[in-house]
Amino acid sequence: GQQLNQSPQSMFIQEGEDVSMNCTSSSIFNTWLWYKQDPGEGPVLLIALYKAGELTSNGRLTAQFGITRKDSFLNISASIPSDVGIYFCAGTGANSKLTFGKGITLSVRP
Amino acid sequence: DGGITQSPKYLFRKEGQNVTLSCEQNLNHDAMYWYRQDPGQGLRLIYYSQIVNDFQKGDIAEGYSVSREKKESFPLTVTSAQKNPTAFYLCASSRRQPDQPQHFGDGTRLSIL
Repeated sequence: GQQLNQSPQSMFIQEGEDVSMNCTSSSIFNTWLWYKQDPGEGPVLLIALYKAGELTSNGRLTAQFGITRKDSFLNISASIPSDVGIYFCAGTGANSKLTFGKGITLSVRP
Repeated sequence: DGGITQSPKYLFRKEGQNVTLSCEQNLNHDAMYWYRQDPGQGLRLIYYSQIVNDFQKGDIAEGYSVSREKKESFPLTVTSAQKNPTAFYLCASSRRQPDQPQHFGDGTRLSIL
């Protein structure tokens, strides 16, 4: 079945640093989504990508749909304490079902 | 404001008891979903519904049941057959067209007494 790989499971950065996280798959995806989940809350959609090569920004966040359609990355610039949370990638492939990665927990040191 | 409302926020279940988690949306979305989240496991699909009065099993449907009598509502029942129900449950909705992003509620945390 379709699987999305996110690693490492946790990342620790200093406030002000940029961070990049990626999501990979062995199969082609038609849509890539990036969500952020704060503790005890539901995931919130950050960025949606629909075309190979697409680069989209949302404030300090930038995400790209990989040319091969088998990967996507999310970049956070100038991190702040409220960037702490779990970042999930998700995508839809040939079966049109949404598949989630296991998420990366981001910690930001002041 | 449009959104998805899950209730209650916290729920406790006794052994052998069925409990029902509520999910209501006012986004006029046709499709609704239930996920279970365990630490380090990501989101696992329990049930989904693309249209009123129709629903399909997801990857981990055993021990759960749903109904979809209204477009706005998609309640999930955790039955006594679910032996490990302690988890964070998330409801989501989306437009029915392919590749539409899902939008989530704030979840219900279910624990065993």
